[in-house]
Amino acid sequence: QSALTQPPSASGSPGQSVTISCTGTSSDVGGYNFVSWYQQHPGKAPQLIIYDVNKRPSGVPDRFSGSKSGNTASLTVSGLQVDDEADYYCASHAGNNKRVFGTGTMVTVL
Amino acid sequence: EVHLLESGGGLVQPGGSLRLSCAASGFTFRDFAMCWVRQAPGKGLEWVSRLENDGRTTNHADSVKGRFTVSRDESKNTLFLHMNSLRDDDTAIYYCAKDGAAWSLDNWGPGTLVTVSS
Repeated sequence: QSALTQPPSASGSPGQSVTISCTGTSSDVGGYNFVSWYQQHPGKAPQLIIYDVNKRPSGVPDRFSGSKSGNTASLTVSGLQVDDEADYYCASHAGNNKRVFGTGTMVTVL
Repeated sequence: EVHLLESGGGLVQPGGSLRLSCAASGFTFRDFAMCWVRQAPGKGLEWVSRLENDGRTTNHADSVKGRFTVSRDESKNTLFLHMNSLRDDDTAIYYCAKDGAAWSLDNWGPGTLVTVSS
C-alpha cells in the first residue's frame, strides 16, 4: 500500500488561508468517504482535526475544513494562526480494514 | 477523558523481539477497535496494525505481516503489540490509537520509542 501524496510544505501569513492536497487512488481516497486529517506539533502525538472527509471533532475550530473530489482530498486552514504551524497528515481507509497515511505537509506561518 | 499510555519501548538488536503495551482509560475499552501507528525518526506516519474489539480480527501493514501480532487484555484495558524478527527499519516511535468514527483515529497516546540497532 503506497502512501498518499501530499506536498512537502505549505505556508501563509497570519490571517491567510492555506490548502493542502492529498492524492490517492480509487482503492483508497477515491473509493471511500473515509478521509481524516491529523495535526502534529513537533515532539507531540498526532491529533485528529477532520474525519469523514469534512467533519470536525468537538473542540476543533471551524477554521479547519475538508473536502474531496475524486482521488484527491483537501484540507483548508483559514485565518492562519501561529499555533497552526505544524505537520499535517491525511489518512484514508484502504480496503480490507487497512489504513494508509499521507506523506505529510509541513505548514509554516510566515 | 480518554487516556492512552504506551510502554515497553527500548533498544533491541536486529532479529530480536519486543512487546509494547498500551494502557487505556476513560472509555469502554471493549467497545472499540484499536490501532498501532509508527513514525520513523524525521519521517511520516505509517499505520501498522488494527485489532477489532472482538479481540480476534486483526489487520497488519504488509511491512510487518508475519512478524508483528496484536492482542488485547480486556480485564486490564490494555492493548499489546508483539514484535518479532525486528529490523533496523522498524526503528520508530510507536503510537497506539483508538478507532473513531468513519475510520478515523480519534485519540492517541504519547508514543514509545523502539530502536533496533546492534
